[in-house]
Amino acid sequence: EIVMTQSPATLSLSPGERATLSCRASQSVSSSSLSWYRQKFGQAPRLLIYGASTRAPGIPPRFSGSGSGTDFTLTISSLQPEDSAVYYCQQDYRLPLTFGQGTKLEIK
Amino acid sequence: EVQLVESGGGLVQPGGSLRLSCAASGFAFSSYWMHWVRQAPGKGLVWVSRINGDASSIAYADSVQGRFIISRDNAKNTLYLQMNSLRGEDTAVYYCAREDYGAMQDWGQGTLVTVSS
Repeated sequence: EIVMTQSPATLSLSPGERATLSCRASQSVSSSSLSWYRQKFGQAPRLLIYGASTRAPGIPPRFSGSGSGTDFTLTISSLQPEDSAVYYCQQDYRLPLTFGQGTKLEIK
Repeated sequence: EVQLVESGGGLVQPGGSLRLSCAASGFAFSSYWMHWVRQAPGKGLVWVSRINGDASSIAYADSVQGRFIISRDNAKNTLYLQMNSLRGEDTAVYYCAREDYGAMQDWGQGTLVTVSS
């Protein structure tokens, strides 16, 4: 099983700041198989980024993804209050599909 | 607009069974892989199972293999998850999701399954 490890576990930043969320895979995964999701409290997850760097429909350009191999990053530039949520990475490269444990982003 | 609506959750005793449904609309249902993902209270997302468009390829997480059965009825645009021999650790919100480009592009609102005596 490919273990996805996200860091940090919690991130507390102010509006307008830049957030950098990391996701590390226990073995190399294809970039086309790495996705990021956002889950606001009490809601279903929503896809943000797929293929490591492609924004899903309706996702603003301040969300960007990068990385390859085992190390991937989600960057949120100029944080907004509504960005407060838990963010998950997920790999679709090998079964079983696996998610990271999540990074909780708090907006001060 | 893609819509996924789960139903069938509820309270069930350990060892019992439950069948979840996911009604899909707004896309060519039979053309897409579909998934079930669950989330225990206060915990993260865990993939449960997936099925391809014609149900010829199915996979399960080890934790549910042999107890859960995923299926679909393309004529009814509906995805199912038959859950048998339920355990306390199966308590979770269960989401169905549509896969596209290797990602879960669309999600339902989820249905809560509680396994307790």
